[in-house]
Amino acid sequence: SQTIHQWPATLVQPVGSPLSLECTVEGTSNPNLYWYRQAAGRGLQLLFYSVGIGQISSEVPQNLSASRPQDRQFILSSKKLLLSDSGFYLCAWTKTAREQYFGPGTRLTVT
Amino acid sequence: SQQGEEDPQALSIQEGENATMNCSYKTSINNLQWYRQNSGRGLVHLILIRSNEREKHSGRLRVTLDTSKKSSSLLITASRAADTASYFCAAQEWGGSEKLVFGKGTKLTVNP
Repeated sequence: SQTIHQWPATLVQPVGSPLSLECTVEGTSNPNLYWYRQAAGRGLQLLFYSVGIGQISSEVPQNLSASRPQDRQFILSSKKLLLSDSGFYLCAWTKTAREQYFGPGTRLTVT
Repeated sequence: SQQGEEDPQALSIQEGENATMNCSYKTSINNLQWYRQNSGRGLVHLILIRSNEREKHSGRLRVTLDTSKKSSSLLITASRAADTASYFCAAQEWGGSEKLVFGKGTKLTVNP
């Protein structure tokens, strides 16, 4: 069966510090991968998606970047965090044009 | 850009009542999906309705889709306290990325 992991679960970082969030998927190959951000009480905003290794599409120009160094690994990064980067970050995968499967999320607080 | 828009934003009902949530979207879609999110957790897929379908059932869930009005509704019948969660619609556009555009969600509270 397929599983998706995200870590860390929670993170508190000062403004200006770097960020690295990791997402890995098990039990499937060549999935489409997605990073979303959810502000408090809001819906999900698609940040990046990837249809293959090294292929990254950015939906919203901002302070973040994404990379896919391996088939089932998706990394969200920032060189210098802003207060506005606080939120709940969710990784998801899909194999076909059907439902997406979400990880447990990372709660990021920038202080 | 956010395409799905749910209403109401919040809904409070008693156990046993039905809950109806609505969603509107803006562009042509491949399918429309509904997800549930318990507080502070990831999203769980509930049901998918394709653009050529008008109604779909899954257990106590009933989803309708009206592509002429670009709208969908989710009905939860005989609600339970455990149904308390936020519900999101997500429009999947045509194309190779299979990306979803989510609405802001409806927060449902079912009182025992």
